[in-house]
Amino acid sequence: SYVLTQPPSVSVAPGKTAEITCEGNSIGTKSVHWYQQRPGQAPVLVIHHDDDRSSGIPERFSGSNSGNTATLTISRVEAGDEADYHCQVWDSRSDMVFGGGTKLTVL
Amino acid sequence: EVQLVESGGGLVQPGGSVRLSCATSGFTFSNYWMHWVRQVPGKGLVWVSRINGDGSSTTYADSVKGRFAISRDNAKNTLYLQINSLRAEDTAIYYCARDRSSTWYVDYWGQGTLVTVSS
Repeated sequence: SYVLTQPPSVSVAPGKTAEITCEGNSIGTKSVHWYQQRPGQAPVLVIHHDDDRSSGIPERFSGSNSGNTATLTISRVEAGDEADYHCQVWDSRSDMVFGGGTKLTVL
Repeated sequence: EVQLVESGGGLVQPGGSVRLSCATSGFTFSNYWMHWVRQVPGKGLVWVSRINGDGSSTTYADSVKGRFAISRDNAKNTLYLQINSLRAEDTAIYYCARDRSSTWYVDYWGQGTLVTVSS
């Protein structure tokens, strides 16, 4: 089965840049989607197809995907960005696959 | 405004059954594939099942095949998930989710309904 690996946690100071990675075998050949999930809330789509921002998502959010690593980058981090972030791909054998999620802490 | 509202969760005994519902509004329900995704509190998201617009095509994760059944009633704009032979490991929040034009990612999520399997 296809596996996506995310770091359990990332910490960043306000105003700095956060990078959340999602590793998978040849993930660069797949479309990667990212969801933000604030505590006690449902997930929200932030990035689709590697680097397309969903409607209403600030330009501070961006994505990239190459080789075996996809990255969600959040610039000028704000307290309101504190959340869990989940990456997701579709794989022909494993169907919809999610990473384990990364908890972003704003210091 | 797109809205997805799940219901039907609760405390269920091992071996029991439960039917989850997801009432939708704000879009033409029959035009969209729909998914169920579950999440053990504090853990990651796990895809469970999906169904096409007219209900003729369904797919399941290997871990739930044979016990879960997804269905829909387009006249009622409602998605369902029937779960049988419940196990402790089925304890999770179950989210209803709309697929973005059959491209296998989700553009809208419901708020989830918690199923707890315990005696």
